[in-house]
Parts: sequence; structure tokens; C-alpha cells
Amino acid sequence: DARVTQTPRHKVTEMGQEVTMRCQPILGHNTVFWYRQTMMQGLELLAYFRNRAPLDDSGMPKDRFSAEMPDATLATLKIQPSEPRDSAVYFCASGPLGGGNTGELFFGEGSRLTVL
Amino acid sequence: AQKITQTQPGMFVQEKEAVTLDCTYDTSDPSYGLFWYKQPSSGEMIFLIYQGSYDQQNATEGRYSLNFQKARKSANLVISASQLGDSAMYFCAMREGRGNRDDKIIFGKGTRLHILP
Repeated sequence: DARVTQTPRHKVTEMGQEVTMRCQPILGHNTVFWYRQTMMQGLELLAYFRNRAPLDDSGMPKDRFSAEMPDATLATLKIQPSEPRDSAVYFCASGPLGGGNTGELFFGEGSRLTVL
Repeated sequence: AQKITQTQPGMFVQEKEAVTLDCTYDTSDPSYGLFWYKQPSSGEMIFLIYQGSYDQQNATEGRYSLNFQKARKSANLVISASQLGDSAMYFCAMREGRGNRDDKIIFGKGTRLHILP
């Protein structure tokens, strides 16, 4: 049963620490998205990749956030240094976009980050 | 500017009644897609239904239907005969882009639906 896998599921850290979240997309999906969910903002698009190439990361605070896709099986989202306002649930989603596909996304279970 | 607007932060509906969740969108791209996802309290995101901008008929999936009014740029989700298990957060989303090149998918802020017994 193919699914998107995210680690860690939960992370509690102190302000100023580096946080790395990882995502294994579904094999064969060409597009990977990172979203952040908060009560106030809903699901915000942070960054996304097509065939491992970054297409748009305008939703990320550039000074502290970075997203990479070192290979087809791994996407990472890093926060350095973390701040309390970064506390949220971070979702990774993958999908087979383009080529007539609808764009349905398959989500991971999310990484709940708490920055103290 | 917000591209996906869900004006109902929360709704309470009696079980077995029909529910309409509102969604309006804004895009200048003639080719786009609209989605609804459900997020129960467990936190997972569940795809419900899809409507393409060129689709002539409204999409339906079981008890879910999408009331697509292109001229008004609205894509409301209708749930018929609501059940207690429908209590969840519901997100409207839009895929916009130029075909294969740089489709991005953005979400609204969601509507929390409570079904009352």
C-alpha cells in the first residue's frame, strides 16, 4: 500500500535549534509539496518540487527555512534557527501532476513541531 | 490576495441533513482544477472530490457533489444525508498553472463541520 512517509511525527525543540523534517514521497510521483498547517492560516504552501527541481519556495521565510530534494525518495524541510512561531503541523504531499492527471495529492501524516 | 476563500470557519448541522460548504476561488488561468479534502480529528488528509475547469458536469462521488459555478468562481461542496462521521475540517483547494509546467496546488483556510446527533 503506497503512502507518503514523514518523520518525525512529533518534535519538541527549543528556540534556536535546527529542525529537519523528512518526507519519502510515493514512488513514481513527480511532484512533492510542503505545507504548513496552523489554526489561523489553514494550509500554507511553503515549497514544491517537480522531478526534484524546486519550482516555488516563495511561501517560505528564506532566512530560516530551506527545502531540498536530494533524490527521488527523499524531500527535506529544514528550519534553522527555529522560533516559537514555527510551531505547526508540517505536511508533505506527493502527486503525479501533469500529463492529464487531476493533481490529486497524497498526504503524509504530518510532522507536529513545537518550538519552546 | 487570497485565491481560495472559505467563508465559513465553522458549521453545525443536524445529522441526516444536507450540508453545503462554500468555496470561492480566483484565477486568471483558463485551465485549473478544484478539490475538496477532509481532515478528521486524527489529522490525516483525505481526498474527496475533483472538478476540472473544463468539465461540463458537476462532479459527484457517493454522498459528495461539487456545485461548480464557473462564472461565479465558486466550487461548493454538498454532502447529502450527513452522518456523525462527517464531522471534520474540510479544505477547498485549487490547482493552477499552465498544464504540465508549474502546476501548484493551494488551499483555503478550511471549514470545521460539526454534525449533531
